[in-house]
Amino acid sequence: DVKVTQSSRYLVKRTGEKVFLECVQDMDHENMFWYRQDPGLGLRLIYFSYDVKMKEKGDIPEGYSVSREKKERFSLILESASTNQTSMYLCASSLSRTNEKLFFGSGTQLSVL
Amino acid sequence: GQQLNQSPQSMFIQEGEDVSMNCTSSSIFNTWLWYKQDPGEGPVLLIALYKAGELTSNGRLTAQFGITRKDSFLNISASIPSDVGIYFCAGLGSNYQLIWGAGTKLIIKP
Repeated sequence: DVKVTQSSRYLVKRTGEKVFLECVQDMDHENMFWYRQDPGLGLRLIYFSYDVKMKEKGDIPEGYSVSREKKERFSLILESASTNQTSMYLCASSLSRTNEKLFFGSGTQLSVL
Repeated sequence: GQQLNQSPQSMFIQEGEDVSMNCTSSSIFNTWLWYKQDPGEGPVLLIALYKAGELTSNGRLTAQFGITRKDSFLNISASIPSDVGIYFCAGLGSNYQLIWGAGTKLIIKP
């Protein structure tokens, strides 16, 4: 089974801090994604990557950046955390370029105070 | 960005009841998907639909791809406690990114 591991289950940060959310997948998938999940809004795509050192903006990239130095690892960076970035963050990977089957991590609940 | 209209937002049901939820869009999709998110976990793919009119089952779950390609439906028969969670519909856009509904939260009354 594919395993997508997110480094933290819960994270509490202060406004203005730099925050790193780490994600690792163990099935050699090319494609990786970062979503945020907010009640009533579903999942919104922040960034995605189809290859090492490659990144593409999703629907809500503002305030975020990403890094993919190795195929299995995709990091989400909040350069200066703000309270409106309090959310559940989900990492996912997929094998197929058509992306209909995503494998998700368990999520990181980030609270920015 | 575009979002699908998913309803109902939440459902309180008795164990053993059947459940129906649906998803509509102003755009046509060629692929509809249904995911389930258990409490404390990420979403998991339940059913994928690739053809208008298609009816696909996965155990007690049955999903349909609407004829207009603008909607999809999910039914759960004889609900059990492990059915609780959030069900998401998603359409696969022309850029191969998923467009998600807001989710239907299923709660089973004790």
